[in-house]
Amino acid sequence: SYVLTQPPSVSVAPGKTARIPCGGNNIGSKSVQWYQQKPGQAPLLVIYYDTDRPSGIPERFSGSSSGNTATLTINRVEAGDEADYYCQVWESGSDQYVFGTGTKVTVL
Amino acid sequence: EVQLLESGGNLVQPGGSLRLSCAAAGFSFSSYAMSWVRQAPGKGLEWVSGVNGRGSSTYYADSVQGRFTISRDNSKNFLYLQMSSLRAEDTAVYYCAKDGSFEMGTTLHSWGRGTLVTVSS
Repeated sequence: SYVLTQPPSVSVAPGKTARIPCGGNNIGSKSVQWYQQKPGQAPLLVIYYDTDRPSGIPERFSGSSSGNTATLTINRVEAGDEADYYCQVWESGSDQYVFGTGTKVTVL
Repeated sequence: EVQLLESGGNLVQPGGSLRLSCAAAGFSFSSYAMSWVRQAPGKGLEWVSGVNGRGSSTYYADSVQGRFTISRDNSKNFLYLQMSSLRAEDTAVYYCAKDGSFEMGTTLHSWGRGTLVTVSS
């Protein structure tokens, strides 16, 4: 089965840039989504189709994907960005959605 | 505004059955695929099952294949998940999610708030 690997945690100071990698075999050939989940809340889509932002998501959030790694970048990090972040793809070989292991972003 | 409201979560014994429901509003329900995603306590997200807009194609995670059945009623704007042979490891919050298109495989654009299923004796 297809596996997406993320670091368990990333720490960043306010105003700095957070980069969250998502590793998967040839992930650059797939469409990657990113979800933000704050404690006690449902996940929220923040990036879809590798780089697109849904309406209402700040421009500080951006995505990229190439080769075996996709990356969510959060510029000018704010305290409110503290959350768990998950990458996700559709694995066409098995017709299943696959989520990454999740990364907890801590704002110092 | 998309609204998804799950219900049916409960405490159930191992080996038991349960049916979850998701009431949808604010969009053309039959035009979009739908999924169930779960999250065990303190754990990450796990996609469980999905169905296309017509209800003619269904998809399952390996962990629930043969035990869970997804269905939808487009006349009532409801999504269902029939769960049987439940195990302790099925304990989780179950979310209903709206896909980005008629067929599966794009993105999970909108999510409900979830319903808790606890499998324990």
